[in-house]
Amino acid sequence: EIVLTQSPGTLSLSSGERATLSCRASQSVSSSSLAWYQQKPGQAPRLLIYGASSRATGIPDRFSGSGSGTDFTLTISRLEPEDFAVYYCQQCDTSYTFGQGTRLEIK
Amino acid sequence: EVQLLESGGGLVQPGGSLGLSCAVSGFSFSSYVMSWVRQAPGKGLEWVSIISASGGTTYYADSVKGRFTISRDNSKNTLYLQMNSLRAEDTAVYYCVKKVSSGYAPFDVWGQGTTVTVSS
Repeated sequence: EIVLTQSPGTLSLSSGERATLSCRASQSVSSSSLAWYQQKPGQAPRLLIYGASSRATGIPDRFSGSGSGTDFTLTISRLEPEDFAVYYCQQCDTSYTFGQGTRLEIK
Repeated sequence: EVQLLESGGGLVQPGGSLGLSCAVSGFSFSSYVMSWVRQAPGKGLEWVSIISASGGTTYYADSVKGRFTISRDNSKNTLYLQMNSLRAEDTAVYYCVKKVSSGYAPFDVWGQGTTVTVSS
């Protein structure tokens, strides 16, 4: 099973700051298979990024993804109040697994 | 508007069974791969099962293999998950999700979830 490890577990930042979230795979995965989701309390997850770097429909351009092989990054260039949430990476290269999540909280 | 509406959750005793349904509208259900993803209370996301557009191919997480069965009725635009031999660790919100396409593709549409509680 491919294990995805996200870091940090919790990230405390202020609105307007830049957020960098990491997702590391236990073995190399195709960039095409790497996605990022955002989940707010009491809501279902929402697709943000697919194919490691493509934004889903309606996602603001302050969200960007990058990476390849085993190391992937989600960057939020300037945090808005609505961006504070939990973020998950997911791979579908071999079966389907999610990272354990990074909680982005207001500092 | 694309909608996935889960139902069937509830309280069940360990060892019991429960069937979940997901009614779909707003897209051509029979053309898409569908899946179930769950989230235990206060925990992260766990993929459970997936079914091809035709229903002919299914896959399961090791944690539910042999106990859960995914199926679909394309004439009714409905996805199902039959859960047998339920355990406390199956307690979770169960999400019905649509895959963008087959192959390397994410889950682009999620239902609001239905809660399953396994407890005596």
